[in-house]
Amino acid sequence: DQQVKQNSPSLSVQEGRISILNCDYTNSMFDYFLWYKKYPAEGPTFLISISSIKDKNEDGRFTVFLNKSAKHLSLHIVPSQPGDSAVYFCAAKGSGSRLTFGEGTQLTVNP
Amino acid sequence: NAGVMQNPRHLVRRRGQEARLRCSPMKGHSHVYWYRQLPEEGLKFMVYLQKENIIDESGMPKERFSAEFPKEGPSILRIQQVVRGDSAAYFCASSEQMTANNEKLFFGSGTQLSVL
Repeated sequence: DQQVKQNSPSLSVQEGRISILNCDYTNSMFDYFLWYKKYPAEGPTFLISISSIKDKNEDGRFTVFLNKSAKHLSLHIVPSQPGDSAVYFCAAKGSGSRLTFGEGTQLTVNP
Repeated sequence: NAGVMQNPRHLVRRRGQEARLRCSPMKGHSHVYWYRQLPEEGLKFMVYLQKENIIDESGMPKERFSAEFPKEGPSILRIQQVVRGDSAAYFCASSEQMTANNEKLFFGSGTQLSVL
């Protein structure tokens, strides 16, 4: 039962353009959402998060949007840079301590 | 300020052997989480521990897997009688407080377990 789903396994964008990574969830008890970025042979690193009481959170080039009625969130990166090339994981949390991760999207930013 | 340290980075075992994976949390962190990533999949929660206590082991397979976080020393994930399906990347994460307070996790670089 995949409660957090990232339907695009890969995304390729041009440097300077916007990258939009999408994530859907099914569990309405999730109330906190996070994006992690992972380079090869490294562990995931925290990028940005959003609470369910908000619909947008911005940090520099990164913005996360949450649409609770659609159970959908997205990560926007603008402008995209080649160093942003990595696997991006969406994660969600309810009242407990565990994070539920999506399968990841491989972002490639071409110079 | 060292981050989460996992060792070994790579571990090769033959079927039936035991695998021991170690994790030292960030300084000041007393909450440890183990996640497993199978090929082409996301990270799956396995177990959440505090010092000397298992808080949530609902993601652990019922047999052959165990975890501990002693008062002194690193957290250990132990897999007995490994099988090929145990081949995966095992990630440890730590936090200062319970993530129920929305404290973000800091991950180690993982241990890649290969079972021959």
